[in-house]
Amino acid sequence: QKEVEQNSGPLSVPEGAIASLNCTYSDRGSQSFFWYRQYSGKSPELIMFIYSNGDKEDGRFTAQLNKASQYVSLLIRDSQPSDSATYLCAVTASSYKLIFGSGTRLLVRP
Amino acid sequence: DGGITQSPKYLFRKEGQNVTLSCEQNLNHDAMYWYRQDPGQGLRLIYYSQIVNDFQKGDIAEGYSVSREKKESFPLTVTSAQKNPTAFYLCASGSPGTQYFGPGTRLLVL
Repeated sequence: QKEVEQNSGPLSVPEGAIASLNCTYSDRGSQSFFWYRQYSGKSPELIMFIYSNGDKEDGRFTAQLNKASQYVSLLIRDSQPSDSATYLCAVTASSYKLIFGSGTRLLVRP
Repeated sequence: DGGITQSPKYLFRKEGQNVTLSCEQNLNHDAMYWYRQDPGQGLRLIYYSQIVNDFQKGDIAEGYSVSREKKESFPLTVTSAQKNPTAFYLCASGSPGTQYFGPGTRLLVL
C-alpha cells in the first residue's frame, strides 16, 4: 500500500516565525508532489507543487523535495494567523491518482 | 463564473436509503474525482473518471456508485450497502495534481 505520512500536529508557532511542515512517502516511483491547504470546514486548495529535487519558492512558501530520502517539506516564512489551517501533502500514485496524507494542523499564535 | 459546485451542502440519510450527491463543473476538465474525508483524516479516493462514459474505482468504492453521462456532471450515489456513510464528501476536477475542489457535502445518518 502506497502511503504518505504526516505528523498530525498541531504545530504551534508564533506570528512571524517560520513554520516547517514535513511529509514522507513510501513509493520511490512517485514523480510529483503537492501541498494543499484546508481551512476548517472548507475544501482543500492547491498552494504549491514540486517535481524536482531541491527547493521551489513562491512568495512566503518554499517547498523542498529530497527524493533519495523520500521526503518533502513546506516552509512558511513570516507566518500569519491566517495561515492557521490543515496542510495536506499529496503524491501522485499513477497518471490519474493522488495519495493524500492525513494532514498537519498548523496554529499561528498572534 | 467558472468553478465546481456540489449540492446539497448537508444531506441526511435514513437507514436503508440511497442518496445522491451532485457535482457539476464548468472548467471544461475531462477528469473528475470523488473523495471521502473523515474527521482528522486525509482524503480517500472513492471513484474517478478520466472521460465521459468511463470511470474507475478508487480505494474505497464499496457501497458507492457513480455515473458520467456528461462532461460537466459526476454524481455520486451512496447506497444502503455503505454502512458508515457519515463523512465530508469532496468532488474535484482537473489533472491529478492540480485538482479544483468543490465546497463539499456533509452526509449525516439519521
